[in-house]
Amino acid sequence: AQKVTQAQTEISVVEKEDVTLDCVYETRDTTYYLFWYKQPPSGELVFLIRRNSFDEQNEISGRYSWNFQKSTSSFNFTITASQVVDSAVYFCALSERETSGSRLTFGEGTQLTVNP
Amino acid sequence: DAGVIQSPRHEVTEMGQEVTLRCKPISGHNSLFWYRQTMMRGLELLIYFNNNVPIDDSGMPEDRFSAKMPNASFSTLKIQPSEPRDSAVYFCASSVTGNSPLHFGNGTRLTVT
Repeated sequence: AQKVTQAQTEISVVEKEDVTLDCVYETRDTTYYLFWYKQPPSGELVFLIRRNSFDEQNEISGRYSWNFQKSTSSFNFTITASQVVDSAVYFCALSERETSGSRLTFGEGTQLTVNP
Repeated sequence: DAGVIQSPRHEVTEMGQEVTLRCKPISGHNSLFWYRQTMMRGLELLIYFNNNVPIDDSGMPEDRFSAKMPNASFSTLKIQPSEPRDSAVYFCASSVTGNSPLHFGNGTRLTVT
């Protein structure tokens, strides 16, 4: 069975600080996909990134970066120079190849608050 | 592209009433998903369809819940009769077949009193 754990329930930082959101996953599959979604206070779920299990290269997109390490089953998300608009709940999710379609198992989410 | 469209955005109903939530997926997407979000249980997959066919409905809480996808551009999630514990935000999402990213609608906030 697959499982995603986001141990940090809430994080509070001051604007311009860097912050890392942790994600640890469990899967028996050798081919799988990892995702991050953002849920701002308005409530919608916004796709941020997808990673497949064969691509361990770190990725950077503006102030966002992701560190995927298969050895520790982690897919951490770092926001550099955080801004108030980054305040949201962030979800890590896993999709196994064995399942049809894009069925996702979500972590519990991390509530990030960026204070001015 | 209009994205995934859900209606209504908010629904308040009394216990025992029938509730129908609607979803229009992104055109060309072959997979459609219904998720429920609550504080206690987080985001849970209720059911998903592939090419309009229900593939896995193991997440549907009980027989009071049913979902249909009569065509590629429309799906409904029905609760009959509704109960207060059904209060949640219900999200519809769609994706191209495969492990492509899910695109979520804005959700329907259901309150059952």
